[in-house]
Amino acid sequence: QQQVKQSPQSLIVQKGGISIINCAYENTAFDYFPWYQQFPGKGPALLIAIRPDVSEKKEGRFTISFNKSAKQFSLHIMDSQPGDSATYFCAASMMSGGSNYKLTFGKGTLLTVNP
Amino acid sequence: GAGVSQSPSNKVTEKGKDVELRCDPISGHTALYWYRQSLGQGLEFLIYFQGNSAPDKSGLPSDRFSAERTGGSVSTLTIQRTQQEDSAVYLCASSFFGGAPRAQYFGPGTRLTVL
Repeated sequence: QQQVKQSPQSLIVQKGGISIINCAYENTAFDYFPWYQQFPGKGPALLIAIRPDVSEKKEGRFTISFNKSAKQFSLHIMDSQPGDSATYFCAASMMSGGSNYKLTFGKGTLLTVNP
Repeated sequence: GAGVSQSPSNKVTEKGKDVELRCDPISGHTALYWYRQSLGQGLEFLIYFQGNSAPDKSGLPSDRFSAERTGGSVSTLTIQRTQQEDSAVYLCASSFFGGAPRAQYFGPGTRLTVL
C-alpha cells in the first residue's frame, strides 16, 4: 500500500518556468510534510516543510501548497534554474510513539530544467 | 564536518557475505534513522534509534538485518548472508529531539552492490 503518491515521475521545464510536483496521502494521521531534493550520488536534502494548519509556505523560490480536505500537497518552484535539476521527493510523517518521526516517501520526480 | 557522514561510500560484496555499514550522525542529534533507497521500492524506512535504543525496527526486511548504536552517536547497520536483492543505497539520517525534531538530515549514503 503506497501511502504517499507522487506525480509526475519526470518533468521537463524551461529555464524561468514554474515546476509543479504533486503528492497525495492517505493516512490522515500524517501531520508533517517535507520536501527533499536529491542530486546524483548525494543524500536527500531538506528543502521545505509544512504542517496541516497552514495552506501555504514559501521559502525563496520554493512554495508548498497544502489542501487538507483533499489530502494533497504540492511543491512549486518559481523561476526554475538548470541548477534545480534533481530528483524531488515528497514525504509525510506522524508521531509514532515517543519522538519517532519516521518518514514515508513518495516515489520521486526527476526534474530537468533546460537552459 | 558538520553533516551526517557514512562509510564506506561504496561496498561491493559477494552473495552470502556479511557487511557492516557505518553512520556518524550530526553531533548532539539524539534521533537516528536508517532508510534504504532502491530503484524498485524508492526510499523505505528501516529502523529508528532514540539514544542507544531502537524502539522501531518495523522496516527491517528480514532477520538478516540488524543495527546498533553506541554512545548515543555512531550506528552500524549489519546485513548477514547478503542477497542480491539487498543491493541498494543505504541512507542514514539524524535529527535533534530538543530542537526541530521533524527535520531529518541525511548522509550521502552507502551504495551496496551484492554480486
